[in-house]
Amino acid sequence: DAGITQSPRHKVTETGTPVTLRCHQTENHRYMYWYRQDPGHGLRLIHYSYGVKDTDKGEVSDGYSVSRSKTEDFLLTLESATSSQTSVYFCAISDRGDEQYFGPGTRLTVT
Amino acid sequence: EDQVTQSPEALRLQEGESSSLNCSYTVSGLRGLFWYRQDPGKGPEFLFTLYSAGEEKEKERLKATLTKKESFLHITAPKPEDSATYLCAVQAGSQGAQKLVFGQGTRLTINP
Repeated sequence: DAGITQSPRHKVTETGTPVTLRCHQTENHRYMYWYRQDPGHGLRLIHYSYGVKDTDKGEVSDGYSVSRSKTEDFLLTLESATSSQTSVYFCAISDRGDEQYFGPGTRLTVT
Repeated sequence: EDQVTQSPEALRLQEGESSSLNCSYTVSGLRGLFWYRQDPGKGPEFLFTLYSAGEEKEKERLKATLTKKESFLHITAPKPEDSATYLCAVQAGSQGAQKLVFGQGTRLTINP
């Protein structure tokens, strides 16, 4: 998985609670991304980062925030989890902003 | 709006039976087209990048080609281990250089 880890790998949480997912890379790549993957929708970009403290919104950013204080870590926070945020979340990295390499994913269930 | 459509949604082949998967796209200024393979419960695995019409890339039994409107992933004499979902994505100027738009994938099953 190109030196990318995601934690936790599985999480069950209740509606209304905050949740933070972590992506850690050892490749020193500039770009980092958070996607969600749902049946019928494919992979959709939530947020991405193009450097430390530099982030931008993707297609489905409502209800999510991100932070990147170090090159190697990119955090995704669900401020108040809802059932519609039940999904599989993937982190990806890219050196030049073209081809992306994906992590193993986090399966999140909001009950 | 940039769009990527993959067909068929699912394809079942016998071992050794060659075929092609299609990825058609409508984008404003294609910067690159990417193919990924995804196994169940895992993240997508990068296969190829194609940048311009006429370009071809090969890897083992897979060959990807690109025209101005679509890309094909040709699978020659597939084996059961080629079973996976194959994803296509485009990077377009209108989306920003760093963003990819994905199709919904083709689920390929190779029967022994």
